[in-house]
Amino acid sequence: DTGVSQNPRHKITKRGQNVTFRCDPISEHNRLYWYRQTLGQGPEFLTYFQNEAQLEKSRLLSDRFSAERPKGSFSTLEIQRTEQGDSAMYLCASSFRRMVAGAGNEQFFGPGTRLTVL
Amino acid sequence: KNEVEQSPQNLTAQEGEFITINCSYSVGISALHWLQQHPGGGIVSLFMLSSGKKKHGRLIATINIQEKHSSLHITASHPRDSAVYICAGAPKTSYDKVIFGPGTSLSVIP
Repeated sequence: DTGVSQNPRHKITKRGQNVTFRCDPISEHNRLYWYRQTLGQGPEFLTYFQNEAQLEKSRLLSDRFSAERPKGSFSTLEIQRTEQGDSAMYLCASSFRRMVAGAGNEQFFGPGTRLTVL
Repeated sequence: KNEVEQSPQNLTAQEGEFITINCSYSVGISALHWLQQHPGGGIVSLFMLSSGKKKHGRLIATINIQEKHSSLHITASHPRDSAVYICAGAPKTSYDKVIFGPGTSLSVIP
């Protein structure tokens, strides 16, 4: 399977616990994105990486959230001291950024990790 | 007011009907994406377009840059088309920070 994969697919945790999600992008893709989607809403941008560099973070990403992409391949998203409001689907996407002005940037999405905080 | 809006929010159609989902946006964009999300969460990219029209099978996407409007059409709809359809704009100023619409939930009844 050469698509974007995410693990785990589902995570149930108690409030206050830490959780970590993993995303494996398409292998030749240099950009990786994290999004959060709450029920009935479209996804919201959280952060993205160009190779191992984290280029931008949304204000939605509080201090309890941290994302890494240490070798420019897979990425992890950690949430510390989870709160019930963190319950959502966490989506990862990857793309290949062509260094051409105005070039498009089609993103390929993973299946998501659904987090439930009790 | 959301920067990307969609209509209708929910849509029920009979199998075989021609379906149109609309998307309007208020930001300048370099590209617009149409995505499909099935129950369970997985998202599939259907189209990315910056002008004109694209067709793939029974799906057609159009965009009018001047009017800041895009449409997704499904011809000869089928129950397997039932899903949430999301449009998303890639802003000119930061086209990696895609802005998503709220989605249109489509149900096609046999």
